[in-house]
Formats: sequence, structure tokens, C-alpha cells
Amino acid sequence: EAGVVQSPRYKIIEKKQPVAFWCNPISGHNTLYWYRQNLGQGPELLIRYENEEAVDDSQLPKDRFSAERLKGVDSTLKIQPAELGDSAVYLCASSETGAGNTIYFGEGSWLTVV
Amino acid sequence: AQKVTQAQTEISVVEKEDVTLDCVYETRDTTYYLFWYKQPPSGELVFLIRRNSFDEQNEISGRYSWNFQKSTSSFNFTITASQVVDSAVYFCALKATGRRALTFGSGTRLQVQP
Repeated sequence: EAGVVQSPRYKIIEKKQPVAFWCNPISGHNTLYWYRQNLGQGPELLIRYENEEAVDDSQLPKDRFSAERLKGVDSTLKIQPAELGDSAVYLCASSETGAGNTIYFGEGSWLTVV
Repeated sequence: AQKVTQAQTEISVVEKEDVTLDCVYETRDTTYYLFWYKQPPSGELVFLIRRNSFDEQNEISGRYSWNFQKSTSSFNFTITASQVVDSAVYFCALKATGRRALTFGSGTRLQVQP
């Protein structure tokens, strides 16, 4: 069974440019997460979806970040415009609905803003 | 509020040594789940184990074992007879039923020397 798939794997952009990341969760997983991991730190939640509804986006910097999961499957995370401090790994994850279910992660999208 | 502390930033051992990675957590929830993930250089977070707050039974899986002690809010991870392939960053994480997203510690980088 395929795991969580993310693209692109690596992205280098100049500051003020836009960038988008795509995620396809594990089949049947209704819950989808976007995390950001800065160098040397643990991942931090940006947004959580239950199907197509964003149920926890309190940590998403809404002035420049946006996300969508239109059909309750794939998701896109966008940054516009990017800043130097946005350089990080953006991790997508998914799980079955339920508090105790395991969350499975993709390989991440490594963003460098220059 | 939830918090996970991994006080050991980096550990270096020689192959075949045993090593214990410490994890201390804080939560006000009575029902919660604890996780360990491994992050090799490729970047993907690999799920290792999940425990719920009502099950304090220690678990062993091959060379891996976990010691959950509710009285000290700790969930430590031991690798017996370490191998070079165990070299990675290991994250402890907490998920409470109220906020269905993982709160990660800052990670412990384990280097196993041949």
C-alpha cells in the first residue's frame, strides 16, 4: 500500500516568490495534517483537516500561508510571498479518524528561500 | 497545554552498546497517546510505537524496548545492541484526545559508530 506522497521533494525559490506543495494521503485516511519542521527542531502543526474541513488552523500564518483540500483527499499548501524564514521541511501526514490512531508521514518537501 | 521534552540533544555510542533515549511529557488530559518516530537522513518520519495512557505495560520489539511510567510522566526508549543503521534523529510525541495532533519533542540525534 502506498504511503503519504508529497511533491516536490526539493524546492529553491527567491524571497517574495510563491510556492506550492502537494500531498496525497494514504487511501482511506480522512485526517490530513501539514507540519513544518525547522532545522534541528521537531515538527510543528500548521493545519489539520477532517475530510475537506480545516478543523485546526490556529498555527497557520494566514497572511501568507493557505491550504486547501477540496475533495477531501489531496491537499495543497501554498506560501505567497515566501520569506527567508520560511525555509524548512514541510511534512504532510495522514491518519484514520480517531484520537488514538497513528499518524503516518510523507518524506517532506524541503524548501529553501534565498 | 502539552509539552514534550527530550533533554538529550545528541548521543554517540559505539556499535553493540545499549542506549536509552529519554522523553518526559506534560499534559492535563487523562487520556492521551505517546509515540516514538525515527527520522533518518532521508527526512521521512518513521512510526515506531504508540502507547495509550491506560496501558503502562512495557513493550519489547526486537532490539527496541519502551518503558512507560505515568508516575514520572516518562516514556523512554532503549535500543539494545545498537547498530550503525540505528543512526537517526528520534522524536517522542504526545497526542491528547482534545487536540488531535501530535506535539513533538525537539528530538535526540543518535550516532552509532562502527
